[in-house]
Amino acid sequence: GAVVSQHPSRVICKSGTSVKIECRSLDFQATTMFWYRQFPKQSLMLMATSNEGSKATYEQGVEKDKFLINHASLTLSTLTVTSAHPEDSSFYICSARTGQGAREQYFGPGTRLTVT
Amino acid sequence: GENVEQHPSTLSVQEGDSAVIKCTYSDSASNYFPWYKQELGKGPQLIIDIRSNVGEKKDQRIAVTLNKTAKHFSLHITETQPEDSAVYFCAATPFGNEKLTFGTGTRLTIIP
Repeated sequence: GAVVSQHPSRVICKSGTSVKIECRSLDFQATTMFWYRQFPKQSLMLMATSNEGSKATYEQGVEKDKFLINHASLTLSTLTVTSAHPEDSSFYICSARTGQGAREQYFGPGTRLTVT
Repeated sequence: GENVEQHPSTLSVQEGDSAVIKCTYSDSASNYFPWYKQELGKGPQLIIDIRSNVGEKKDQRIAVTLNKTAKHFSLHITETQPEDSAVYFCAATPFGNEKLTFGTGTRLTIIP
C-alpha cells in the first residue's frame, strides 16, 4: 500500500515553454501532498504544501506564479513549471500523507526535468 | 525552525558488516523521525520511522535509536548487503507540523 506515482518520469522542454507534472496517490486518498526539488547530490528542498481543494502554501523563496500547483482531487496534485528556463532543470519529487493526522510521507519516483 | 545535521556524508562498509548513520536535531518539540533510502534516479523510500515516545525500533536488519535528551537519532543496518548501497536521509518534524526537515544525506556503499 501507500503507492505514489508521478508522470512523466522525465521530460525535456524548450526554454520559455511550460510543463506539467502529475502526482497521484494510487491506493489511498491524500488530503495533503508535498512538492520537493532536488539538485544532484543534494538533499530534498520543500517547494510547497498542497492541500486538496485549497491554495498551495509555498516555501519562502519559491515563486508561486512560476510553479503552479493544483490539488483538485484527493488523489491528484499537479505542478506546472511555467516559462521554464535552464535553471529550472532539476529532479522534482512529490510526496503524500496517507490521511489527516498521519505522520508518514510516501514519495513518488520523481520527474527529471531538463530545459534546453 | 528545525535544523537537522547528518553524519557521515559518505560511508563505505564491507559486506556483512554493520553501518551506522547519525543525525542530530535542534527543535526539542520534534517528535517524529523517519529515515528514507534513495536509490539513484528514484524517489526516497520510507524504510523506518520512530516517534518520541519510544527509544528504539527494529525491523529485520534495520533499527533506529532515539535519544531525546541529546536530541540525536541513529540508523543501524546490520549484515549489510550490496542492495543496501544508496543515499540515506534522516528527517524530523514536530507534532502538528506537516513539513519534514531533512538531513543532508549519507551515501552508503557496500563493498562486496
